[in-house]
Amino acid sequence: QVQLVQSGAEVKKPGASVKVSCKVSGYTLTELSMHWVRQAPGKGLEWMGGFDPEDGETIYAQKFQGRVTMTEDTSTDTAYMELSSLRSEDTAVYYCATALRGAVADDFDYWGQGTLVTVSS
Amino acid sequence: DIQMTQSPSSLSASVGDRVTITCRASQGIRNDLGWYQQKPGKAPKRLIYAASSLQSGVPSRFSGSGSGTEFTLTISSLQPEDFATYYCLQHNSYPFTFGGGTKVEIK
Repeated sequence: QVQLVQSGAEVKKPGASVKVSCKVSGYTLTELSMHWVRQAPGKGLEWMGGFDPEDGETIYAQKFQGRVTMTEDTSTDTAYMELSSLRSEDTAVYYCATALRGAVADDFDYWGQGTLVTVSS
Repeated sequence: DIQMTQSPSSLSASVGDRVTITCRASQGIRNDLGWYQQKPGKAPKRLIYAASSLQSGVPSRFSGSGSGTEFTLTISSLQPEDFATYYCLQHNSYPFTFGGGTKVEIK
């Protein structure tokens, strides 16, 4: 059973950066394909990017290209999502979501609890 | 990018009703589609994977069907705990894309 535990809520000023962590237990990061999804208040789910196991690279949604960096620390089985140049529209709950590599389907059967990031001056 | 058009955006139903939600993909995605349930303040939970396979632990009143561009999530007999928002997700190609969501409310 995979468990994902995310870091706590953040309040940031416009123009700042935020780094959200997602600690994995039950499996190692190298056994998973980690992705990040966000949800603005009262809105739907939006995929931001994630690891493509077929080519071993991280793919980012074009909307976030240049502003988002997703990294992994395999020594601690922790994934990170850093978003820079924050604006008010980035206020959202950010989720890490994952599937086991090689699973029948590579969408997300495990989710973190979510991290609220509030961008406000 | 593949667009996922989900309908309806909301519906009102009673306990015991049969409910059907549809997602249409802008191009063929084989069966690379999942259905998710989200309750307020909670992370989404996958109900169906590969368009029609029931996630372990999910009640059998949930079912999925479809392939290519047309997909359906059916709840055969709505229960009180099923009132939630439902999303489809295509993972056939990047960027992965979600449908806009269907909020299922109590009539």
